[in-house]
Amino acid sequence: QVQLQESGPGLVKPSETLSLTCTVSGDSISSDYWSWIRQPPGKGLEWIGYIYYSGSTNYNPSLKSRVTISVDTSKNQFSLRLTSVTAADTAVYYCARDHGGWYPRIDPWGQGTLVTVSS
Amino acid sequence: EIVLTQSPGTLSLSPGEGATLSCRASQSVGSSFLAWYQHKPGQAPRLLIYGASSRATGIPARFSGSGSGTDFTLTISRLEPEDFAVYYCQQSGSSPQTFGQGTKLEIK
Repeated sequence: QVQLQESGPGLVKPSETLSLTCTVSGDSISSDYWSWIRQPPGKGLEWIGYIYYSGSTNYNPSLKSRVTISVDTSKNQFSLRLTSVTAADTAVYYCARDHGGWYPRIDPWGQGTLVTVSS
Repeated sequence: EIVLTQSPGTLSLSPGEGATLSCRASQSVGSSFLAWYQHKPGQAPRLLIYGASSRATGIPARFSGSGSGTDFTLTISRLEPEDFAVYYCQQSGSSPQTFGQGTKLEIK
């Protein structure tokens, strides 16, 4: 079965860049869409964006100016970069498989990784 | 963007009872594009329902989804202890994808 695992620094300083990688195991990343979603402490889920294995992307307009999602099919990984972070970017970040098509759904999700923005 | 409003915010019930969770959209959502997730603290969210009414693989039959247009419902027929969690609806018919704010199902 497909499993996803997020990795990256748990602490980022304000104004710096948050970088996370998601490693996919159990299936090739060369199909479907792959998403990043976050959850600030005590709040709900926010979709950040997704990448198709071919490299095409779609981002949430609220974050579009600061977000880049990339894919490395040779490593079966995709990555998130979020620039100019502030305390408002503190959240648990999830990577997930985003099935497209006529019945889209997000499944499975990684366990999530907490990223804290603080000096 | 489409705003999803879930109600109630918190639902207090006992094991064995039935639960009805509501998700209302600010604009019409195609039924194919409405999903429900269960989220427990410290765990990955789990897909329950997609296409408004299709159960995901391995999801017990006590979970069912219904609705169309702007009103969708998740029903849990007989609550088991492991069902107490936060539930989110999500739409992916219009970009950006959006989630409801969640309904917390707690033990009474």
